[in-house]
Amino acid sequence: AQSVTQPDIHITVSEGASLELRCNYSYGATPYLFWYVQSPGQGLQLLLKYFSGDTLVQGIKGFEAEFKRSQSSFNLRKPSVHWSDAAEYFCAVGARAGGSYIPTFGRGTSLIVHP
Amino acid sequence: NAGVTQTPKFRILKIGQSMTLQCTQDMNHNYMYWYRQDPGMGLKLIYYSVGAGITDKGEVPNGYNVSRSTTEDFPLRLELAAPSQTSVYFCASKAGRADEKLFFGSGTQLSVL
Repeated sequence: AQSVTQPDIHITVSEGASLELRCNYSYGATPYLFWYVQSPGQGLQLLLKYFSGDTLVQGIKGFEAEFKRSQSSFNLRKPSVHWSDAAEYFCAVGARAGGSYIPTFGRGTSLIVHP
Repeated sequence: NAGVTQTPKFRILKIGQSMTLQCTQDMNHNYMYWYRQDPGMGLKLIYYSVGAGITDKGEVPNGYNVSRSTTEDFPLRLELAAPSQTSVYFCASKAGRADEKLFFGSGTQLSVL
């Protein structure tokens, strides 16, 4: 079965600093990979996804992520963090099922932004 | 577009009571999912459905039941509520294509006391 590990429960950065959130996955085939963001009291919103092709994917709000097959990783990055980026971030892997996928989520990383 | 709508937003149950969490989507999506979110544990898949009349268990189905009589609706039933079912529940849906993203509802916060 697939699994996702987000090793950092909390990350604290200063506004304007760069950000990297780590994600490692376990899956027997080429995975579908996702990053979602959750603001307090809200559902999850997709930041970006990787299905195939270019291993560096761009998302919304200035985020990007790089798929590294050799490291089974899909780390999320942003060059300059804004206070509004404070939220919970979830990495997910999609196990292929029929013509679609079943998503499995990591436990999340809480991002704290200091002014 | 309303997207994915969940009701109620909040609910307190006594141990042993039953209730149904409602989820409806207006995007004609085939795939629908129920997740529960516990603090520090991420989202765990309870049940999912790939179309009307078809449902399957996820990672944590015990204590729950679902049905999918229409494309739009995917209710989650708790028959005998237990404190371990205190959680935030999210419904999500997606279109049938493999590269489509999930659309999430805003969640139902359930407390069982």
